[in-house]
Amino acid sequence: DSGVTQTPKHLITATGQRVTLRCSPRSGDLSVYWYQQSLDQGLQFLIQYYNGEERAKGNILERFSAQQFPDLHSELNLSSLELGDSALYFCASSVALDPAYGYTFGSGTRLTVV
Amino acid sequence: AQTVTQSQPEMSVQEAETVTLSCTYDTSESDYYLFWYKQPPSRQMILVIRQEAYKQQNATENRFSVNFQKAAKSFSLKISDSQLGDAAMYFCAYRSRGGDDKIIFGKGTRLHILP
Repeated sequence: DSGVTQTPKHLITATGQRVTLRCSPRSGDLSVYWYQQSLDQGLQFLIQYYNGEERAKGNILERFSAQQFPDLHSELNLSSLELGDSALYFCASSVALDPAYGYTFGSGTRLTVV
Repeated sequence: AQTVTQSQPEMSVQEAETVTLSCTYDTSESDYYLFWYKQPPSRQMILVIRQEAYKQQNATENRFSVNFQKAAKSFSLKISDSQLGDAAMYFCAYRSRGGDDKIIFGKGTRLHILP
């Protein structure tokens, strides 16, 4: 157990629907990062939050949004889902804005859009 | 923008043998960090080893070691005495020392261990 908790582990939904993925960072970690891993692809950075504030944005679609709450858990909202949104979505956390640290990853949420 | 390239989509190695996974990166920065992550079938991303660009000494973690060539922008991972549990997807990754702190990942190399 890495200490980063993602729920749900699996999600199957229809096109056009909206889903929410949840992430609880490791205790003490202030930064949360969301990544998308499509089939046979590397991890694409979506968005980062630090202590409740958005810090960096990557290739995140306008249909996607995220937030980090006062208790530091984060949610990634995906709307108007398309077949191409099917992927593994990872949340990761780190203790501070110190690049010497790698991230600690959750086990991911497998999203299947049908 | 920084990029990370892993030119070997798949590799195989006999159990107990040594294998080297290649990675090259492109950056205009002089100070940064490089990582290798392992993703076994469980999907969990596990940090294997990290290298600080300002350190010339290559990092080592048990059976895992790197060959860091800063001028060539090369960062290969050597796995010695390969074990069945080493079978996984391996990702090379880059992180700036300052400013943008997101990690940029390569597309990965799938490593098969042959018994």
